[in-house]
Amino acid sequence: DQQVKQNSPSLSVQEGRISILNCDYTNSMFDYFLWYKKYPAEGPTFLISISSIKDKNEDGRFTVFLNKSAKHLSLHIVPSQPGDSAVYFCAASVVGSSNTGKLIFGQGTTLQVKP
Amino acid sequence: KAGVTQTPRYLIKTRGQQVTLSCSPISGHRSVSWYQQTPGQGLQFLFEYFSETQRNKGNFPGRFSGRQFSNSRSEMNVSTLELGDSALYLCASSWGGQETQYFGPGTRLLVL
Repeated sequence: DQQVKQNSPSLSVQEGRISILNCDYTNSMFDYFLWYKKYPAEGPTFLISISSIKDKNEDGRFTVFLNKSAKHLSLHIVPSQPGDSAVYFCAASVVGSSNTGKLIFGQGTTLQVKP
Repeated sequence: KAGVTQTPRYLIKTRGQQVTLSCSPISGHRSVSWYQQTPGQGLQFLFEYFSETQRNKGNFPGRFSGRQFSNSRSEMNVSTLELGDSALYLCASSWGGQETQYFGPGTRLLVL
């Protein structure tokens, strides 16, 4: 049972345009969501997070939107740069004493930004 | 502030052997989580340690174990290695386990 899904394995965008990466989840108990960027043979790098009490969070070129009713979140990158080319993972957690330290990850979306 | 470090970065073992991987968290972080990444299963949670205690555990067999020391450094051990244990093993640290986790570079384990 995959609780966090990234249905698009890959995405290709032109430099300077917007990249939109999507993520769906099934567990309504999730209350903290994160996006990570990963290069091959390296560990994931934290990008941005959002709590379930918010519906939007911005950090520079990165914005995450959360739609709790649809159990959907998205990451917007504007403008996209070639250095953004990587695999992007969304992750979710349930904040609480019985779920400490556990992130549930999606399968990842490979973003290619073309110059 | 130094990031999460993991040693070794690469390991080659044979079936039946055991392996120990090490993780040093970001200074001040007391929670360390371990994950396994494989092409087929993606990133999966192994376990989490806080103050030298395992607080949470994923769905992995008992061959996978870990521990944490008083300085928050953590080790994970895999005994009786199987071919399917070949993976990238990642550790991540956070203040208390409920916040953003920061990952190390990983240890690439190849079991022959």
